[in-house]
Amino acid sequence: ETGVTQSPTHLIKTRGQQVTLRCSSQSGHNTVSWYQQALGQGPQFIFQYYREEENGRGNFPPRFSGLQFPNYSSELNVNALELDDSALYLCASSLAQGGQETQYFGPGTRLLVL
Amino acid sequence: RKEVEQDPGPFNVPEGATVAFNCTYSNSASQSFFWYRQDCRKEPKLLMSVYSSGNEDGRFTAQLNRASQYISLLIRDSKLSDSATYLCVVNESPRGGGFKTIFGAGTRLFVKA
Repeated sequence: ETGVTQSPTHLIKTRGQQVTLRCSSQSGHNTVSWYQQALGQGPQFIFQYYREEENGRGNFPPRFSGLQFPNYSSELNVNALELDDSALYLCASSLAQGGQETQYFGPGTRLLVL
Repeated sequence: RKEVEQDPGPFNVPEGATVAFNCTYSNSASQSFFWYRQDCRKEPKLLMSVYSSGNEDGRFTAQLNRASQYISLLIRDSKLSDSATYLCVVNESPRGGGFKTIFGAGTRLFVKA
């Protein structure tokens, strides 16, 4: 086990609603990255947080936002949910090492938007 | 052109076969490279990091060719338990700062008895 936990495991929402997903990183890790994985595709990078600040962002609209807390846990918030937001949301924690870090994934949250 | 491209697969091989996965990446400034394995409905798990000098872990060998922007994974003596999706992963540090991780779409492997 990686020591990375996510909650909830599954979630059903309707279009237009807002959702908050949570991630607790592995002990000693200061960096959390979030990914969206649609069925049959590889994970897509949403953003990364390092020491409570956004440290990189993929091609996702501003309605995808995040937070990292002093204990390095993190939240992903998605506003105005769309049907295409249905996916597996993965977080990964790592210890920043100048781009060489290895990421360890949590089990993911499966989001279904109806 | 996709930032990270993998063989589309799926690969269907018998037990004991040797199978090779290929991956190319578009950004020559990419910094680090990995292979992850993902089982059905599970999270990706690190298989191995990839270095220019090549590295081996048991039946698995990974190679990186920076000049060709090419990464490979070789599995020897494949087992039924090797059946999974193999994901090629590249880390970049964009010019504007920060960090970005790019996954390939994955190649599905089926190993049959």
